[in-house]
Amino acid sequence: SQQGEEDPQALSIQEGENATMNCSYKTSINNLQWYRQNSGRGLVHLILIRSNEREKHSGRLRVTLDTSKKSSSLLITASRAADTASYFCATKRDTGRRALTFGSGTRLQVQP
Amino acid sequence: DAGITQSPRHKVTETGTPVTLRCHQTENHRYMYWYRQDPGHGLRLIHYSYGVKDTDKGEVSDGYSVSRSKTEDFLLTLESATSSQTSVYFCAISETSGRVGGYNEQFFGPGTRLTVL
Repeated sequence: SQQGEEDPQALSIQEGENATMNCSYKTSINNLQWYRQNSGRGLVHLILIRSNEREKHSGRLRVTLDTSKKSSSLLITASRAADTASYFCATKRDTGRRALTFGSGTRLQVQP
Repeated sequence: DAGITQSPRHKVTETGTPVTLRCHQTENHRYMYWYRQDPGHGLRLIHYSYGVKDTDKGEVSDGYSVSRSKTEDFLLTLESATSSQTSVYFCAISETSGRVGGYNEQFFGPGTRLTVL
């Protein structure tokens, strides 16, 4: 099963609204990252939050991390049509393998 | 795409034929990764490399092999392609090791769409 699972699988909102996506994971982590993927393209790194951090901001992005619940949320404020994409969380485990484990993603559609 | 190219970008092949995908980076990053992306599964790690000639298996490594003879190139080989290997393949690189305290932000290539008939 996936280490990271995003919720919802799909989200449709109007331009100007906020979009919130959630990610749950199973094992202890070193950090959690969010990536965006536009249709037909590779993933682009958005933001990273370390296991000892609870909240982080980058422009219109706000990420929270609750290690006790093993969950994270990504908030995009004042969404734009250009935010239409798939969003993935990825976790770096505390020990063991160096690679990231990705969830199955949330497809965000922002209607103009 | 952070100095990462993948070739070919599209390939159609037949079951049973060998296929090699190439990832080339100009960033001199130590770590390189191969993922496959399928609907409903997100990205799944096939193999990764933590240095020249140093590789390790990921979660879906069966049927795949890799080689890294130079820092800049990471090859993914399907020895005998099957229809279940039809997918989009992404290469990624990272600089930090992912050790405790290392953050392992990854940069992705544009992807290769492989169809096995």
